[in-house]
Amino acid sequence: TQLLEQSPQFLSIQEGENLTVYCNSSSVFSSLQWYRQEPGEGPVLLVTVVTGGEVKKLKRLTFQFGDARKDSSLHITAAQPGDTGLYLCAGAEGNKLVFGAGTILRVKS
Amino acid sequence: ETGVTQTPRHLVMGMTNKKSLKCEQHLGHNAMYWYKQSAKKPLELMFVYSLEERVENNSVPSRFSPECPNSSHLFLHLHTLQPEDSALYLCASSLRWGSGTDTQYFGPGTRLTVL
Repeated sequence: TQLLEQSPQFLSIQEGENLTVYCNSSSVFSSLQWYRQEPGEGPVLLVTVVTGGEVKKLKRLTFQFGDARKDSSLHITAAQPGDTGLYLCAGAEGNKLVFGAGTILRVKS
Repeated sequence: ETGVTQTPRHLVMGMTNKKSLKCEQHLGHNAMYWYKQSAKKPLELMFVYSLEERVENNSVPSRFSPECPNSSHLFLHLHTLQPEDSALYLCASSLRWGSGTDTQYFGPGTRLTVL
């Protein structure tokens, strides 16, 4: 099973700040997904990236898939308290999704 | 009600108890999943059902027993659990099994505590 390492494990920032979280592997994934999980809820899909070098934007969130399809990043501009949650990346390995351990983001107002 | 629902939301059980977790999806999906989520650890895939047949069993101890009576319902039967089995158990569904780009829709989870 391929491993996905996410960093940082925990991030606490003030409202309005920018941040980037990372998802890295030594192996290639055919696609990669980012999910956000809020307390008391299950993960919710934010984006799927498929092509190496692909960049997708979702309002203030920018997702990038590495050229070699081994890594990905999520950049949030002007973070808001509503962005608080656990951010999970998941890579497609065969028929399964392999998840990272996640980055806990806390945005303080 | 739409989406993926799970009951109960919280469960406390002793090691000798027998209990069941229930998952229901109203999305018309063909694949359903059980995951275990422990603090600071990646989601662990436990079981996958595709068209009501089990297609994945990730070396899960026999004290966990899944059941999929139809494409909308999934159960996880629990017996003689250990304290280390305490975790959040998430159910998910997707349109089909085996596509890395299909969205998995998760339920809110059952928070299980084994005393």
